[in-house]
Amino acid sequence: EDQVTQSPEALRLQEGESSSLNCSYTVSGLRGLFWYRQDPGKGPEFLFTLYSAGEEKEKERLKATLTKKESFLHITAPKPEDSATYLCAVRTHDYKLSFGAGTTVTVRA
Amino acid sequence: DTEVTQTPKHLVMGMTNKKSLKCEQHMGHRAMYWYKQKAKKPPELMFVYSYEKLSINESVPSRFSPECPNSSLLNLHLHALQPEDSALYLCASSQDRGDGYTFGSGTRLTVV
Repeated sequence: EDQVTQSPEALRLQEGESSSLNCSYTVSGLRGLFWYRQDPGKGPEFLFTLYSAGEEKEKERLKATLTKKESFLHITAPKPEDSATYLCAVRTHDYKLSFGAGTTVTVRA
Repeated sequence: DTEVTQTPKHLVMGMTNKKSLKCEQHMGHRAMYWYKQKAKKPPELMFVYSYEKLSINESVPSRFSPECPNSSLLNLHLHALQPEDSALYLCASSQDRGDGYTFGSGTRLTVV
């Protein structure tokens, strides 16, 4: 059975304190790993898609990387507006995403 | 237009009521989805429509009935729901096969 595990469950950072979120996966055949940001009561907002080990993508203070077993979302010099729940999801079949439980990030000014 | 629009944003319904959730996108996406999300949990897939045909039903109870009138619209008809069905219902769309999902803001459903 496909499994997606995110850690830590929650992360409290001081503004400017860089950190990383982990998404480890056990799947039969990866067809893409996705990162989303979700604010309370809102739908997930797409951040990145990664397809192969070694791939990296960046957007502002966020950088996502992928290995054969896990993905990291690095947050560099975070600001309070980066506070959100970050969801990792894998696609192993057409149309179907399997989500991890998420990491809730709180950035204090 | 790069959005998925869901209405209503909030809905309170009794267990004997019939209501519908609506979703609309104008990005030319040919796959549309319904997800259910409970508090502090990840989204769970309910239904997938591909080219206006139901392609995936994740063993969802029949009190939830999806409908795809055309390639831009997706409805979820609700009847005889239970309090445990209270959740955030998310609509999403994507290019074929599931790349580039775009989610709507959701409908917060409360069943009383």
